[in-house]
Amino acid sequence: GAVVSQHPSRVICKSGTSVKIECRSLDFQATTMFWYRQFPKQSLMLMATSNEGSKATYEQGVEKDKFLINHASLTLSTLTVTSAHPEDSSFYICSAYSSGANVLTFGAGSRLTVL
Amino acid sequence: GENVEQHPSTLSVQEGDSAVIKCTYSDSASNYFPWYKQELGKRPQLIIDIRSNVGEKKDQRIAVTLNKTAKHFSLHITETQPEDSAVYFCAASRTGANNLFFGTGTRLTVIP
Repeated sequence: GAVVSQHPSRVICKSGTSVKIECRSLDFQATTMFWYRQFPKQSLMLMATSNEGSKATYEQGVEKDKFLINHASLTLSTLTVTSAHPEDSSFYICSAYSSGANVLTFGAGSRLTVL
Repeated sequence: GENVEQHPSTLSVQEGDSAVIKCTYSDSASNYFPWYKQELGKRPQLIIDIRSNVGEKKDQRIAVTLNKTAKHFSLHITETQPEDSAVYFCAASRTGANNLFFGTGTRLTVIP
């Protein structure tokens, strides 16, 4: 089945630093990947849609200069939280779309804590 | 765009009882309706999906029903077990799993 790997699972950083989170589709090519943010006991909030080889499409209210998304290959998308602040602390989850199976598979998530 | 509403936001049931979670959608062209289960601290996982050419689909203790006229679909879990405790998300799409609109989630607690 479709497997998505997301790293790191947990990261703690100081305020003002940048953090990169990777999302990899391990056994399929993902032309489209998605990035979500999830607050405790709350729903998945779609941040952006990442298409291989093109600029990401950001949802309203999501700062593209703050959350840099790169989808350089059919198996890798990265989310970089730039100049992180405590309010950026959250659970970030990626998902990857397999067109062959028409299935969306989620990564295990990355818990970011900004001190 | 599509708007998916999900109810209830929290649900507690006794072990062995049934649980029902309902979702409504706004786009009549939506034709793909998956359900995801997210256990605490883990990734959402697809548990069942239904397409608009069928009205019901069952997989062991889980079933999903779809009413296209009323634009609502429901997840039914029978003989609930503690391991069913999780957050469940419904979603809808007119194009498939590459363009899902998620509901706000239901936190199900199965009380032993």
